[in-house]
Amino acid sequence: DTAVSQTPKYLVTQMGNDKSIKCEQNLGHDTMYWYKQDSKKFLKIMFSYNNKELIINETVPNRFSPKSPDKAHLNLHINSLELGDSAVYFCASSRNRGLGFRSSYEQYFGPGTRLTVT
Amino acid sequence: DAKTTQPNSMESNEEEPVHLPCNHSTISGTDYIHWYRQLPSQGPEYVIHGLTSNVNNRMASLAIAEDRKSSTLILHRATLRDAAVYYCILRYTGFQKLVFGTGTRLLVSP
Repeated sequence: DTAVSQTPKYLVTQMGNDKSIKCEQNLGHDTMYWYKQDSKKFLKIMFSYNNKELIINETVPNRFSPKSPDKAHLNLHINSLELGDSAVYFCASSRNRGLGFRSSYEQYFGPGTRLTVT
Repeated sequence: DAKTTQPNSMESNEEEPVHLPCNHSTISGTDYIHWYRQLPSQGPEYVIHGLTSNVNNRMASLAIAEDRKSSTLILHRATLRDAAVYYCILRYTGFQKLVFGTGTRLLVSP
């Protein structure tokens, strides 16, 4: 059973198009994330949702809009795609944020979606 | 975000132990030290994490300096499958995001 799955695995599209990437986790986690890995392999957080509520929104263009229909799903919709959006996008999930000092949970990542904008 | 410093790359032979160092001199008292790795063409994978004491799990061991300003990830017997980029990350307890640096690329030779 795949813990964190993403679809599609590859996405090739033209500039100006709108596309979506889907993510699902079957781990029962409350928190989900989107990360972007650029051509230089630098990984950076984009968004985080906890119980369907947006809790992290890094400086990402508002062409990117995450949507969490339920705790197990976090989709990423991108409007008006640009060449610079070409990257690998990773979804991840983790248990809820620790409420105590001694809480810190690992994140489980999906296999990634390679987006190529031409 | 507190920063970590890692060597760009390291090499090892198969079946030998590997010690991957990480410096984090600006670590705060509530920062956990996490290690993730990314195998080629895959998503990052959790390896281990700790706060103050050394930690062991089935994948690796984490040795944390007494002043917590550095740590070492120890792979007891490297295999070819351990060839990956290893990231040392400081994580606040109250925040969920992982701030990835450039990591250490581990090359394992047969």
